[in-house]
Amino acid sequence: EVQLVESGGGLVQPGGSLRLSCAASGFTFSSYWMSWVRQAPGKGLEWVANIKEDGSEKYYVDSVRGRFTISRDNAKNSLYLQVNSLRAEDTAVYYCATIRQWVVGDSWGQGTLVTVSS
Amino acid sequence: DIQMTQSPSSLSASVGDKVTITCRASQGINNYLAWFQQKPGKAPKSLIYAASSLQTGVPSKFSGSGSGTDFTLTISSLQPEDFATYYCQQYNGYPVTFGQGTRLEI
Repeated sequence: EVQLVESGGGLVQPGGSLRLSCAASGFTFSSYWMSWVRQAPGKGLEWVANIKEDGSEKYYVDSVRGRFTISRDNAKNSLYLQVNSLRAEDTAVYYCATIRQWVVGDSWGQGTLVTVSS
Repeated sequence: DIQMTQSPSSLSASVGDKVTITCRASQGINNYLAWFQQKPGKAPKSLIYAASSLQTGVPSKFSGSGSGTDFTLTISSLQPEDFATYYCQQYNGYPVTFGQGTRLEI
């Protein structure tokens, strides 16, 4: 059974940084593209970033490019999102998700909440 | 960017009803269209991919159709557990984009 467990969220001031983590189990992590998707409180889903199986390709939504960095450690079955220069509009639940048959979100974690506020 | 527009934004229905949700893309997406269900406080769940293919374990009461720019999700014989918010997603290119959601209420 696929399990994705996010961690690392919290309250951070504008301009601050966090590193979000996603621990994967129940599947061959190194064989899957992975993704981060976020959801602001009471709002819809927004794709954030994708990373290829070996980390050689990364894609970002324009609003986070240059501030967020997606990475992975296949030896640790872990996915990461380094979020820098945080803004109030980055406040959201951040979900880790698998990509299968090119669909972002074949499986999802439970999410980790990032709140940007002074 | 490809804009995904869902209609209606909200929908009231009764147990046993059949409902249809529409998703329109701002340009052709080669059937790279997925549907998700999300219940309050929970992560989304994948229902359909490639416009009409059912994910493993998803009941056949859910069906998807469409091509090009216009797609539909149909849910037959509504049960209490089906009342949720539904999202479409295009994955034809970057950025991946979602519709704004359709809230299905009793």
